[in-house]
Formats: sequence, structure tokens, C-alpha cells
Amino acid sequence: ELKVEQNPLFLSMQEGKNYTIYCNYSTTSDRLYWYRQDPGKSLESLFVLLSNGAVKQEGRLMASLDTKARLSTLHITAAVHDLSATYFCAILDLVNRDDKIIFGKGTRLHILP
Amino acid sequence: DGGITQSPKYLFRKEGQNVTLSCEQNLNHDAMYWYRQDPGQGLRLIYYSQIVNDFQKGDIAEGYSVSREKKESFPLTVTSAQKNPTAFYLCASSRLAGQTKSYEQYFGPGTRLTVT
Repeated sequence: ELKVEQNPLFLSMQEGKNYTIYCNYSTTSDRLYWYRQDPGKSLESLFVLLSNGAVKQEGRLMASLDTKARLSTLHITAAVHDLSATYFCAILDLVNRDDKIIFGKGTRLHILP
Repeated sequence: DGGITQSPKYLFRKEGQNVTLSCEQNLNHDAMYWYRQDPGQGLRLIYYSQIVNDFQKGDIAEGYSVSREKKESFPLTVTSAQKNPTAFYLCASSRLAGQTKSYEQYFGPGTRLTVT
């Protein structure tokens, strides 16, 4: 069974601190995605990672991909309250070749002022 | 502006009624998807379509139906057979994965359905 597991599922942290969200996946994939969802809103694309060793940064968020370990990380630097949201990672299912994206359960991030 | 629209934003229905959620895209994407999200949960795939007049069941298709008569449109009907239809419904579209290395799904704003 294809699985995408995020850790932790809930994170409460103080402003100014650093933290990392981990995303493990169970099958070969060459495309990994990070999305952000604000409460009551839709999903917003943050990063698309396409190759082993890929690193992308946007503001205080940095995402990386290790395809050999089947692991992606989303690192938050000096967190601010505006980053409070739920973050999803997802992979493209290459096994069934049907263009399906498999999502993790999401990490709910709450940043305390 | 290119994008995906879903309507309505909020929908209230009585139990036993069928209801159709609209999803339209003007991104010229071949593939379209419907997801269901329950409070505090991730996304679950209901149906998807990679080409006009063809669609496949996702993980939770029971109690739902779709059509894909036009490339731009992928309406979802929640039937009375769906036992617990209250949820947030998200539509997405994409190019086909083989067409682009940076394949990704773009999401509409969602429809929040409440059935009482």
C-alpha cells in the first residue's frame, strides 16, 4: 500500500524558534509536493521537488528531498505567527501510472506569539 | 485570469436529496480530480478524470457520481446513497504527468456541504 507519513501531525511552537516537519513515503517517486492550507481554505502549492538533493526556499520555509531515503523535510526558520496553518506533503504515484497524488495526513502547525 | 472555480462556496441540503457540486477550470488541463476532506483530516480521492468522457473511481467513490462531458468541467453529484456527505469538497486539475516534469495539481476554493 502506498503511504505518505508526516511527523509530527500537530506542532505547537513559539515564535522565533526553528523546527522541521518530516515526510516519509513508501514507494519510489520522482515528484514530491508541499502544500499549505489555512483553516476553512483550499490548498496552496508551496514547493515542488523533482530530484534527489533538491532544496527549495521561500521566506522562512525550506524544503528538501532525499529520494534514496524516501524522505522530505520542511524546515521552518524563526517561526512567525503567520505561518500557522496545516502543511501537507504529497507524492506522485508512479506505481500505478494514473497521475494520482498521494497525500499525507497533514501537520497542523500552531505558532504561539 | 486562469484558474479553477467551484460553486457554490457553501451548500446546505436535507438528507435524502441529491446535490451537484460544480467545478470549472480554464487552465486547459487534461486531468481533473475530486477530493473530500473531513475536519482535521487529510484529503481522500473520490473520482478523477484524465480525458473527456472517461473517469475512474478513487478511494471513496461510493455514493458519488461524476461526468466529464467537457474538458473544462467536472461536476460531482453527491447522491442520497452517501451515508455521511457533510464535508469540505475540493476540486483540482493538472496537466498529465507525462506532459510536464513539474506536474502538480491546482486546487479550487472548495465547497463546504452540510447535510441535515
